[in-house]
Amino acid sequence: DIQMTQSPSSLSASVGDRVTITCRASQSISYYLNWYQQKPGKAPRLLIYAASSLQSGVPSRFSGSGSGTDFTLTISSLQPEDFATYYCQQSYSTPQVTFGPGTKLDI
Amino acid sequence: QVQLVQSGAEVRKPGSSVKVSCKASGGAFSTSTITWVRQAPGQGFEWLGGISPIFGTPMYAQRFQGRVTITADTSTTTGYMELNSLRSDDTAIYYCARDSGGAPESWFDPWGQGTLVTVSS
Repeated sequence: DIQMTQSPSSLSASVGDRVTITCRASQSISYYLNWYQQKPGKAPRLLIYAASSLQSGVPSRFSGSGSGTDFTLTISSLQPEDFATYYCQQSYSTPQVTFGPGTKLDI
Repeated sequence: QVQLVQSGAEVRKPGSSVKVSCKASGGAFSTSTITWVRQAPGQGFEWLGGISPIFGTPMYAQRFQGRVTITADTSTTTGYMELNSLRSDDTAIYYCARDSGGAPESWFDPWGQGTLVTVSS
């Protein structure tokens, strides 16, 4: 299986901050990397697909980049509703997809 | 817009089985792939398997092979995930989601609201 890691595992930030979360794959996955946001008690929400494409309805302050093994999710100016846990997921080895362990973003 | 609504929470004893449903509305169910993912308490996500209703052939994660059965009923646009020989470490929230297709460039959207399955004696 392709192993996914994320850093940091948790992050404290303030409204208006610029935040970057990193995801690393154990082997090259090209650009087949997605990002999800999950709030407590809720299902995940797709933010970014194919490494850098913004899902419809997602604010433009979210952006993704990277290819190969290293990827980043950036939030340009944190809003109160952005405090959540963020997960990356590789689809390179579909159907055997794997997720990162998550990055918890709090105030 | 496709919406996925799952069945309610379940409590089961070790060794028993559970079957979770996922009702789709608002989109082309038959041509989608429905996938199942679980999240243990405070943990990350684990893919169990998926099915393309139009083809009817399920795919399973190797570690669940023989213990999970995924089906779909196109007449009711409902997907099902049945897990057998339950253990305490199967306690988790089970989610269905639609796979966008076009693998390997694919993603999960939308997701069902999740079904909590608790395995306890």
